[in-house]
Amino acid sequence: AQSVAQPEDQVNVAEGNPLTVKCTYSVSGNPYLFWYVQYPNRGLQFLLKYITGDNLVKGSYGFEAEFNKSQTSFHLKKPSALVSDSALYFCAVRVAYSSASKIIFGSGTRLSIRP
Amino acid sequence: GAVVSQHPSRVICKSGTSVKIECRSLDFQATTMFWYRQFPKQSLMLMATSNEGSKATYEQGVEKDKFLINHASLTLSTLTVTSAHPEDSSFYICSARQGIETQYFGPGTRLLVL
Repeated sequence: AQSVAQPEDQVNVAEGNPLTVKCTYSVSGNPYLFWYVQYPNRGLQFLLKYITGDNLVKGSYGFEAEFNKSQTSFHLKKPSALVSDSALYFCAVRVAYSSASKIIFGSGTRLSIRP
Repeated sequence: GAVVSQHPSRVICKSGTSVKIECRSLDFQATTMFWYRQFPKQSLMLMATSNEGSKATYEQGVEKDKFLINHASLTLSTLTVTSAHPEDSSFYICSARQGIETQYFGPGTRLLVL
């Protein structure tokens, strides 16, 4: 089955330190991968995507993600965390079916940045 | 980035009534929109895929007669929760796909059924 997994429910990082939010995927064919962020009682905001090309993808708010085909991972990273980065982060993958496609989401990782 | 709006942002209704939620893509046309449901501290669960001018495609386990979806134009999709019950209380989020891949999400609608 095609799926995406976020193994950590919560990640705690001190402000100024680097952060990593993990994501692994299982899809047939070439994966289209996404990261979204959700603030309380809000919809999702698009951060970045990997379709093809460079394995290191840069996105909004200083975030980046590294596509690793051999490890089937797409971890989200930021060199220096800010308190304002505290939010719920979702990894997602596009899956194709019939002549259409849809995005399915991981379970989410709550990122908490302490001052 | 592209903007997607939802209306209303919050609605409280009595059990047995129907509630309509609108999703609009404000600055782009979307042939495909998606409706998700999110329970507290959980991920988004896809309910249905809405295609302009055709019937929606529902995910397994989602009652199409209860969650009516209409995608009347390239910028508007509506979700109607019919005969709502307390267990339908949730956070409903729509998204619209721009181009081939990227989906942009609305701010969500919190439904509370009393």
